Amino acid sequence: EAQVTQNPRYLITVTGKKLTVTCSQNMNHEYMSWYRQDPGLGLRQIYYSMNVEVTDKGDVPEGYKVSRKEKRNFPLILESPSPNQTSLYFCASSLSVSGSYNEQFFGPGTRLTVL
Amino acid sequence: AQTVTQSQPEMSVQEAETVTLSCTYDTSESDYYLFWYKQPPSRQMILVIRQEAYKQQNATENRFSVNFQKAAKSFSLKISDSQLGDAAMYFCALAGSNYQLIWGAGTKLIIKP
Repeated sequence: EAQVTQNPRYLITVTGKKLTVTCSQNMNHEYMSWYRQDPGLGLRQIYYSMNVEVTDKGDVPEGYKVSRKEKRNFPLILESPSPNQTSLYFCASSLSVSGSYNEQFFGPGTRLTVL
Repeated sequence: AQTVTQSQPEMSVQEAETVTLSCTYDTSESDYYLFWYKQPPSRQMILVIRQEAYKQQNATENRFSVNFQKAAKSFSLKISDSQLGDAAMYFCALAGSNYQLIWGAGTKLIIKP
């Protein structure tokens, strides 16, 4: 089944404890992206990647890191999480490098709470 | 900077009726794409409809259609014959040449049986 998977789905952690949210797609998509969703703000793009080893900042990259060492994986790393990073996170992928022009396929979301 | 505005935080409609969700946007580009995504309570994001700015014809997908007014920078979504399964958050989004997707704040659609 074609899909984007994220793990974990739910995570409660404490300030400063490094964490990684994994994202994997099995559709051979070039473009991958991370978003955070907050009430009243919609989705905001954190980072995106147009291909392996090519990543770029979105609108809210502060406090986050990403890597794209393999085409299928695009992990989101929070080196030192803070309470203002409590949010719902989505990973998405799209077929072509002009990914934002095409339909993006979303993972199921990761609910992160930082205490 | 590109922006997307959804001015209706919440809308309600009677089952089988028609409802229109509003979206306005701002961009300096002439070529861009607009989207409506649906997010049901399951949180899964689902593409509803996509519109290419250079196409004059309004996009349609079954009961879903858009009214794209390029000069007014307006992109509304019309849902005909509303069904209980249409209840969800609806997001308008804009994609320009910078490979980013800019999202509105969303409209919560309630379907009354």
